[in-house]
Amino acid sequence: AQSVAQPEDQVNVAEGNPLTVKCTYSVSGNPYLFWYVQYPNRGLQFLLKYITGDNLVKGSYGFEAEFNKSQTSFHLKKPSALVSDSALYFCAVRAYSGGGADGLTFGKGTHLIIQP
Amino acid sequence: GAVVSQHPSRVICKSGTSVKIECRSLDFQATTMFWYRQFPKQSLMLMATSNEGSKATYEQGVEKDKFLINHASLTLSTLTVTSAHPEDSSFYICSALGGTTHNEQFFGPGTRLTVL
Repeated sequence: AQSVAQPEDQVNVAEGNPLTVKCTYSVSGNPYLFWYVQYPNRGLQFLLKYITGDNLVKGSYGFEAEFNKSQTSFHLKKPSALVSDSALYFCAVRAYSGGGADGLTFGKGTHLIIQP
Repeated sequence: GAVVSQHPSRVICKSGTSVKIECRSLDFQATTMFWYRQFPKQSLMLMATSNEGSKATYEQGVEKDKFLINHASLTLSTLTVTSAHPEDSSFYICSALGGTTHNEQFFGPGTRLTVL
């Protein structure tokens, strides 16, 4: 079974400072990794994904994430936080099953609060 | 591109009634759609995988007779909550598998179900 851990319920960062939201995963085989953002009472917005290739993935709104296979981590980062980045962030994983279509397993989510 | 819609966005019903939620891929065809459930301040939990033209695959612990899924076309999947009870109140989110590599899920905006 696959799983995702987001160890922090909440991350507080001052505007303009760099931010990191942590994610570790467990999956059999090669992982597909995703980050999504959710605003109150809204669906999920896709930020970025890692499928293969470069370990550093750049996504929407200036976010990036680094895939670290040895540490089974996929932390989300941004060099300079904006107040508008305040939201709920989900890390998700799907195992590559050679063509099968599997649903995503989500972490519990991390509330990111950017303070002016 | 890759827009997924859900209807209704919000529904309130009496206990014992049935509620149908629609999920549509607006500008692409989706042979596979997924239904997730999100409780307040919790993560998304995969309920079932919906495949066009075949029976849905339910996750362990999800009652298939209570949550009826029909994937009648390549752009529409429906979730019917039968004989709804207050504990079924939740945020239901669908996603559709698409993209050029078919490894990305596009999420709908969600449906807030409240059972009185």
